[in-house]
Amino acid sequence: DTEVTQTPKHLVMGMTNKKSLKCEQHMGHRAMYWYKQKAKKPPELMFVYSYEKLSINESVPSRFSPECPNSSLLNLHLHALQPEDSALYLCASSLILTGDTEAFFGQGTRLTVV
Amino acid sequence: SQQGEEDPQALSIQEGENATMNCSYKTSINNLQWYRQNSGRGLVHLILIRSNEREKHSGRLRVTLDTSKKSSSLLITASRAADTASYFCASPGNTGNQFYFGTGTSLTVIP
Repeated sequence: DTEVTQTPKHLVMGMTNKKSLKCEQHMGHRAMYWYKQKAKKPPELMFVYSYEKLSINESVPSRFSPECPNSSLLNLHLHALQPEDSALYLCASSLILTGDTEAFFGQGTRLTVV
Repeated sequence: SQQGEEDPQALSIQEGENATMNCSYKTSINNLQWYRQNSGRGLVHLILIRSNEREKHSGRLRVTLDTSKKSSSLLITASRAADTASYFCASPGNTGNQFYFGTGTSLTVIP
């Protein structure tokens, strides 16, 4: 199984809502990542987890709250988002946290904030 | 920003032609990766080249790396319509762990 599964595929939420994005992998990878991608732009790194511990936070606003409950799961909790947060949110995993290992990406969650 | 730059931003070629895209990065690296993204979907890893390699091949892909110029190129030979996608280079950040994507090249292969 070389898949990273993200749910939901699409999400529309109001600015006062609370929602969560979910990411799952069963490849035994110990590094997991959240990226945000706006249209026609490259993915931007948001958070990195290594061995279930938050390793990198790229100065992301606190309305985005990551969680890694176990080695297979990564969540991104969303609260009080703004319309400019509408984007494709991509989850990825790699064997370990090192810049020279292949990352596997999920298909993303298309988020629209209204 | 630790992001690299790619050029061209967009490239349109006929099927069967070769496509070349270039990436310039900012920091000293020990490797560089290339990824492909079909429209609005996840990224797929294509190839990784290490700093002690100048060239690497994988099928119709040829990647070069010039660490003195902090640049890399991706050549796709005998392109097919299915190669239509965005291509991103990815280089390690300052800590050498996580990696950052370049600005990307949007390739269109016309049948």
